[in-house]
Amino acid sequence: GDSVTQMEGPVTLSEEAFLTINCTYTATGYPSLFWYVQYPGEGLQLLLKATKADDKGSNKGFEATYRKETTSFHLEKGSVQVSDSAVYFCALKDADYKLSFGAGTTVTVRA
Amino acid sequence: EAGVAQSPRYKIIEKRQSVAFWCNPISGHATLYWYQQILGQGPKLLIQFQNNGVVDDSQLPKDRFSAERLKGVDSTLKIQPAKLEDSAVYLCASSLGLGGGSTDTQYFGPGTRLTVL
Repeated sequence: GDSVTQMEGPVTLSEEAFLTINCTYTATGYPSLFWYVQYPGEGLQLLLKATKADDKGSNKGFEATYRKETTSFHLEKGSVQVSDSAVYFCALKDADYKLSFGAGTTVTVRA
Repeated sequence: EAGVAQSPRYKIIEKRQSVAFWCNPISGHATLYWYQQILGQGPKLLIQFQNNGVVDDSQLPKDRFSAERLKGVDSTLKIQPAKLEDSAVYLCASSLGLGGGSTDTQYFGPGTRLTVL
């Protein structure tokens, strides 16, 4: 079945560092791709999404581009802040519109 | 706009006991989802409702888990009897339910953390 594999954590960075979290997917069709974020003590929130190849999703300084040729949807941010400390989940929505999540990557940003 | 509400936030029970979780979705959202998130893993869909009908319960362990959504609004997820491996966070989510398409965004509640001893 369709699945998502994302970079294992935890990831620890200093403020203003560059963040990349790798995500690759396996799908038979053309899924929509998502990044969700879970801040401490809160529920999952949609961070950004892309629905077709070459689309770029962006929000709060984060970006991810849907790359069909490499089946990837890597998350990037040029300058992280302490407030970006959270767990990040890559996910896809398959032809049956079901969401499948990766295992999550814990990011800690130090001041 | 109020988000998805869940209660309780935490629950500790002994194995073989029963437990129930409650979810109130965002007003007007037709679709409601229950996910199980085991520590170190991503959420896994247990059951999906469209209004008060079940759309998908293929991943629900029906020998011990049950869920209902009476009147198409609130929902309850029950485990009876609980096993050690049921320890997880149970997430409820809701969406407008626009045919379940790619643009139908799911909004998640804060979850209920269940510990089975």
